[in-house]
Amino acid sequence: KQEVTQIPAALSVPEGENLVLNCSFTDSAIYNLQWFRQDPGKGLTSLLLIQSSQREQTSGRLNASLDKSSGRSTLYIAASQPGDSATYLCADNNDMRFGAGTRLTVKP
Amino acid sequence: DTGVSQNPRHKITKRGQNVTFRCDPISEHNRLYWYRQTLGQGPEFLTYFQNEAQLEKSRLLSDRFSAERPKGSFSTLEIQRTEQGDSAMYLCASSPVGTTSGNTIYFGEGSWLTVV
Repeated sequence: KQEVTQIPAALSVPEGENLVLNCSFTDSAIYNLQWFRQDPGKGLTSLLLIQSSQREQTSGRLNASLDKSSGRSTLYIAASQPGDSATYLCADNNDMRFGAGTRLTVKP
Repeated sequence: DTGVSQNPRHKITKRGQNVTFRCDPISEHNRLYWYRQTLGQGPEFLTYFQNEAQLEKSRLLSDRFSAERPKGSFSTLEIQRTEQGDSAMYLCASSPVGTTSGNTIYFGEGSWLTVV
């Protein structure tokens, strides 16, 4: 059974800082790992999908990496902005298991 | 592409009543998923369909929960004899399969259930 863990549960940074969010998983046979953003009371917005044959994906200021051997994925956010404040979740979207998320606050 | 649509967005019901939520997936997405999310937690997978076939239902929370997708388009999630512990947000998602998108999953805005 895949288990997905996100540490820390909450993170606060000043505007403009580069930051890394972490996602760990127990089953290295992961097929797809997907990162999402969730604003309070809202559904999830897909950010990036990394397939097992890929090591990273980039979209704008976001870069996600996948290291299956170590059971880790990271989401790098460059030049953070207050509008990036949200909860970020990662998921093994083949096994349909999510982490609990990291709540990010970017202070002006 | 209008996105995944869920109705109703909010439902307040008395304990013991039945409730039904509807999900309309993105057009031509053949997979449809249901999740439950409680405060401070990630979504918890309940079940999914590929076209009209329900391929996984062992993770439904109890036999009070059931889902259908009769024509392979929209889906319904029913909770019978609701309990206060059922209060949560119920999320629907859909994805294409077998495309270069690599099974990217797209979520709706969710349906909030409050059991009083």
